[in-house]
Amino acid sequence: GAVVSQHPSWVICKSGTSVKIECRSLDFQATTMFWYRQFPKQSLMLMATSNEGSKATYEQGVEKDKFLINHASLTLSTLTVTSAHPEDSSFYICSASQVSGNTIYFGEGSWLTVV
Amino acid sequence: EDKVVQSPLSLVVHEGDTVTLNCSYEVTNFRSLLWYKQEKKAPTFLFMLTSSGIEKKSGRLSSILDKKELFSILNITATQTGDSAVYLCAVSGTYKYIFGTGTRLKVLA
Repeated sequence: GAVVSQHPSWVICKSGTSVKIECRSLDFQATTMFWYRQFPKQSLMLMATSNEGSKATYEQGVEKDKFLINHASLTLSTLTVTSAHPEDSSFYICSASQVSGNTIYFGEGSWLTVV
Repeated sequence: EDKVVQSPLSLVVHEGDTVTLNCSYEVTNFRSLLWYKQEKKAPTFLFMLTSSGIEKKSGRLSSILDKKELFSILNITATQTGDSAVYLCAVSGTYKYIFGTGTRLKVLA
């Protein structure tokens, strides 16, 4: 079945540094990938929708200059948290949908801790 | 290999029917099982289950977890057209979530 891989699974970084999270569709081409953030015991919050070859569409309240999203190919989207601060510590998860079909596949998520 | 399998993949019912959605899993270092409802943008949280045999209820929705048999069910009674959505099951292990591909529910008026 379709697999979406996220890397890294967890990362600790210092305040002020940038960290990149990758989301890859391993056995299908994903025209659209979604990035979510989850706070403890809350629903997943959609941050942005990225379409291959074009700029990401950010949800209201999400800083596009802070959360840089790149979807350079049909199998890879990256989320870069720039100048990270402790309040950016969270669980980030991506999902991807195939070129054909309407099923969305989720990655396993990435835990970010900013110290 | 960690996996979460949901069944059925899709379901069409009429208003007033009761439906049962299934989620079976194999996950290393199980921590919790979560049910989400996906309509438009982001999945909406429904339940988080950590203990076997304890039913969680919210209105017409209820869910229960069996950690011995490694599955959970989500029940929806007296279904309404507004229940039409994709219902996702996710299981959290150490540092990760594993999502199922969802059950697509369509409730006809």
